[in-house]
Amino acid sequence: GQQLNQSPQSMFIQEGEDVSMNCTSSSIFNTWLWYKQDPGEGPVLLIALYKAGELTSNGRLTAQFGITRKDSFLNISASIPSDVGIYFCAGPLWGNTPLVFGKGTRLSVIA
Amino acid sequence: EAQVTQNPRYLITVTGKKLTVTCSQNMNHEYMSWYRQDPGLGLRQIYYSMNVEVTDKGDVPEGYKVSRKEKRNFPLILESPSPNQTSLYFCASSSLGHEQFFGPGTRLTVL
Repeated sequence: GQQLNQSPQSMFIQEGEDVSMNCTSSSIFNTWLWYKQDPGEGPVLLIALYKAGELTSNGRLTAQFGITRKDSFLNISASIPSDVGIYFCAGPLWGNTPLVFGKGTRLSVIA
Repeated sequence: EAQVTQNPRYLITVTGKKLTVTCSQNMNHEYMSWYRQDPGLGLRQIYYSMNVEVTDKGDVPEGYKVSRKEKRNFPLILESPSPNQTSLYFCASSSLGHEQFFGPGTRLTVL
């Protein structure tokens, strides 16, 4: 099936550092979603993006919908230990079709 | 409280013994879906349902069955489980197929 390519696959950062991760596709998406999965839990929606070029923040998190509609970026500022988890990008290929998920970026924060 | 519930949360079984994992949502969502999550493979969709009595195969449907007789419930059935179905399973629901809400997960081990 259609793949969303996330990078990096994993990151180890110091507490207080900023984090950037991205998601790319060969297809155009009209919606980009970013989820976070805490260890042992189900994914939880962080940010939803609906328009090309859109920049949306949720606390220390900022996500952008790429102008080409083939990519999206998630930034976390001043990381803290509770930011640890797996971050997934996702989107429907078109209309109300099922979501396609990236394989995730695993974030580890060293105190 | 709006939520997606799954039962059981943990299950250890043996090859060939039929099992059902239940999923229920209280948000009146039309769309429900099952995913499995395996290390390095991200979230892969097993089956989804756009509404009552409407189900479709996802990316990895082999060895699974589902039913959608009521809007709130979407059970996942393994008629003859095999060890390669050992995984972490998530149920999700949404009103539009986009911003999905995930259940807490069911960790299944097939011996």
